[in-house]
Amino acid sequence: AQTVTQSQPEMSVQEAETVTLSCTYDTSESNYYLFWYKQPPSRQMILVIRQEAYKQQNATENRFSVNFQKAAKSFSLKISDSQLGDTAMYFCAFMKRSSGTYKYIFGTGTRLKVLA
Amino acid sequence: DVKVTQSSRYLVKRTGEKVFLECVQDMDHENMFWYRQDPGLGLRLIYFSYDVKMKEKGDIPEGYSVSREKKERFSLILESASTNQTSMYLCASSFGQGRGTDTQYFGPGTRLTVL
Repeated sequence: AQTVTQSQPEMSVQEAETVTLSCTYDTSESNYYLFWYKQPPSRQMILVIRQEAYKQQNATENRFSVNFQKAAKSFSLKISDSQLGDTAMYFCAFMKRSSGTYKYIFGTGTRLKVLA
Repeated sequence: DVKVTQSSRYLVKRTGEKVFLECVQDMDHENMFWYRQDPGLGLRLIYFSYDVKMKEKGDIPEGYSVSREKKERFSLILESASTNQTSMYLCASSFGQGRGTDTQYFGPGTRLTVL
């Protein structure tokens, strides 16, 4: 069975600094997708970044980038130039599609606080 | 923009009541999902649906049922609410296979308290 582990329940970072959130997963599959979602306080969860496992190149979205290490089953999120609006709960997620059905596994989340 | 709406932000019910949570999406998504979110446990999938009238159990379906009579609407039903079902419930939707990127779009959540 697939599992997703986020080992840092809480983190804090100074505004304008860089922070890395870790995520490891366990699967025997070779083709899957990985996501980071962000849930700001009292607001809707939104996608931050997405990575296809068959792509070696790390995904990047503006200040957000990932370090995808397929062999190590690691998928960390780096936030550069942290902003107060980055304060949120961040969830790592694994998705596998197979014969029309889906397996979506979320980690337990990392609460990130950006300090002024 | 994709919009996923949920019928209530906050709901208080009594033990044994039948509870309906409704979710509507406006992007013609094939897939819809119901999760519960609990501190320290992350999101756990209750049920998902990949087409009208089609459903599959997720990881924690016990005590819940679902209904999808129309493509845009996915309902979660607690047949007889219990205190251990007090939680935040999140609905999500995504495109089906061959369409889009499998990104899930979430509703604002319903915080359900069962007394």
